Amino acid sequence: ETGVTQTPRHLVMGMTNKKSLKCEQHLGHNAMYWYKQSAKKPLELMFVYSLEERVENNSVPSRFSPECPNSSHLFLHLHTLQPEDSALYLCASSQAWTSVLGTGELFFGEGSRLTVL
Amino acid sequence: GQNIDQPTEMTATEGAIVQINCTYQTSGFNGLFWYQQHAGEAPTFLSYNVLDGLEEKGRFSSFLSRSKGYSYLLLKELQMKDSASYLCAGMDSNYQLIWGAGTKLIIKP
Repeated sequence: ETGVTQTPRHLVMGMTNKKSLKCEQHLGHNAMYWYKQSAKKPLELMFVYSLEERVENNSVPSRFSPECPNSSHLFLHLHTLQPEDSALYLCASSQAWTSVLGTGELFFGEGSRLTVL
Repeated sequence: GQNIDQPTEMTATEGAIVQINCTYQTSGFNGLFWYQQHAGEAPTFLSYNVLDGLEEKGRFSSFLSRSKGYSYLLLKELQMKDSASYLCAGMDSNYQLIWGAGTKLIIKP
């Protein structure tokens, strides 16, 4: 139990569907992240929120739309995805975005395994 | 460009010692992280090195040489539960993490 919970754990969707991934952290952290993990590839940072403000958007296609309603919750809204978007989507949190506090350790959720047909 | 290199896969025997190497190239340097990820589970933090030398934490140790852009994770007295992927990540001058693709470690009885 890492203190970061992601739902759903598995999601299968067609290219025309709209779905959302949810992340909740119970650690009192100020920063939350979405990462994409594909087989045999490095983790790809997608979005960073610090104190509910988006501070990083790494050239992610607009078919991925993040939302951070408060410091404990993070969503990733998905629409008109492509088969190459199939991957494990990991949510993470940290005490602070700039990681100047402590070691900057990230706490990850177990991920949402997305399959786009 | 920024890059992290680590072996794709390694195999070791239960009870033995294994060293997983990682070389990094980052724009500036604010430390080197190791994470462990069991199949289907969340990556979990193992270690953080920012100064040269060896840091020991139970059966796991992590080493850093900043002049060589090199780190390794040393696992002693291997157990079957150590079968996992090990992710190396360097932090650049902007506190951004640059990740390697991970090393899948297979432990055989």
